[in-house]
Formats: sequence, structure tokens, C-alpha cells
Amino acid sequence: GEQVEQRPPHLSVREGDSAFIICTYTDSATAYFYWYKQEPGAGLQLLMSVFSNVDRKEEQGLTVLLNKKDKRLSLNLTAAHPGDSAVYFCADSGGSNYKLTFGKGTLLTVTP
Amino acid sequence: EAAVTQSPRSKVAVTGGKVTLSCHQTNNHDYMYWYRQDTGHGLRLIHYSYVADSTEKGDIPDGYKASRPSQENFSLILELASLSQTAVYFCASSDTGGAEQFFGPGTRLTVL
Repeated sequence: GEQVEQRPPHLSVREGDSAFIICTYTDSATAYFYWYKQEPGAGLQLLMSVFSNVDRKEEQGLTVLLNKKDKRLSLNLTAAHPGDSAVYFCADSGGSNYKLTFGKGTLLTVTP
Repeated sequence: EAAVTQSPRSKVAVTGGKVTLSCHQTNNHDYMYWYRQDTGHGLRLIHYSYVADSTEKGDIPDGYKASRPSQENFSLILELASLSQTAVYFCASSDTGGAEQFFGPGTRLTVL
């Protein structure tokens, strides 16, 4: 089945710096990719969704890059602030028509 | 108004006891999911359902049952709770399989 590897597991940046998270996946038939944010004690909040025909998508300080050749998905938070501190998950639909496969998450800490 | 709600938000259960976790969605979605989250494992799919009165096994169904009595409601049942089932449980819904999922706030279950 689909496998998603996410790194780094922990990331600490200063306020105003960029934070970069990367995921690799295995199923080349994957159609949809997602980034979620989980704040302490809360559920997962969808940040961005990307269809497989998109190489780059930018929204509100977030940039998602999709490299289908290398099967790599990345998230870049530009100008991070302390409110961005959370766990970030990538996920994709793989070749499945019923479920998402999640990475193990990245704990991002943004210090003032 | 929250579209996916879970109850209870936290629970302490005894080993061997029965536990029922409930999920309710107002998204009018066909698909509903139950995940467990453990440190270092990300989210793992336990059961899912794409229509009322029908449930399907996910990746880690052992020790769990599910019930979908209506489109809006999806329950996770632990007939004989065990220590290893201590985790945070998330319910989610989606319009179609493999599409973006909307998560509830989670239930923290502690089995003693």
C-alpha cells in the first residue's frame, strides 16, 4: 500500500524565518495531496489541498511544491510566527478511492 | 458551528470494559472515518464507512467495531478495552473517498 515519509519530525525556527517540511510518497497514481495543521488539543485543520496536475500552489504565506518525478511534496511557511507552532501532517489519496495515508507529522516550534 | 463533533472529549476506562465513542457530522458527507493517533505513528485508520448501515475495516481494525446507523452518526466500539488502546481517537468525514477530510476535535481515551 501507499507509504508516506515525512521529515523532519521536529523543526524549530525563529519568528520571521521560513519553515520547510518535506514528504515523499510511493504510489505514482496518487491524485490528491493535503497539508493539515494540528494545534495542541485540537483536531486536524486542512491547510491546503493540491491536485496531481499542479506543481506549485501558494496561499496566505504557504507554498506547496509537488515534484511528481521524485514523488516529493513540500510545504514552506514563509515568515513564520509563534501562532504557526503546531504539528503539520501531509497526506495523500494514494491509489485508493476511500482513504488518505498520512505522514507521521512534524512538530514545528516558532520562537519569538 | 462545528461540522464534526465527537463525544466524549475524554474518557477513562478500565481494562476489559466496553467503550463507545460517538461522532456526528453535519457536512452531509457520505464517508466517515475513525483514526487513532499515537505519538510517533501519525494517524492510523481503524474503520470507515461510505454509507449508512455499512462499515469497512481500515488498516488496524483488530479490537474495534464500528457502527453507522445513519449518514450523520458513526460510532467506534471497544468491546473489551485494553491498555494498548490508550490513544487519541479522531473521527473525520469526506464527500467522497480519498477526498479532503474534515476532522472532529478528538477523544482522549485512557485505559487503566
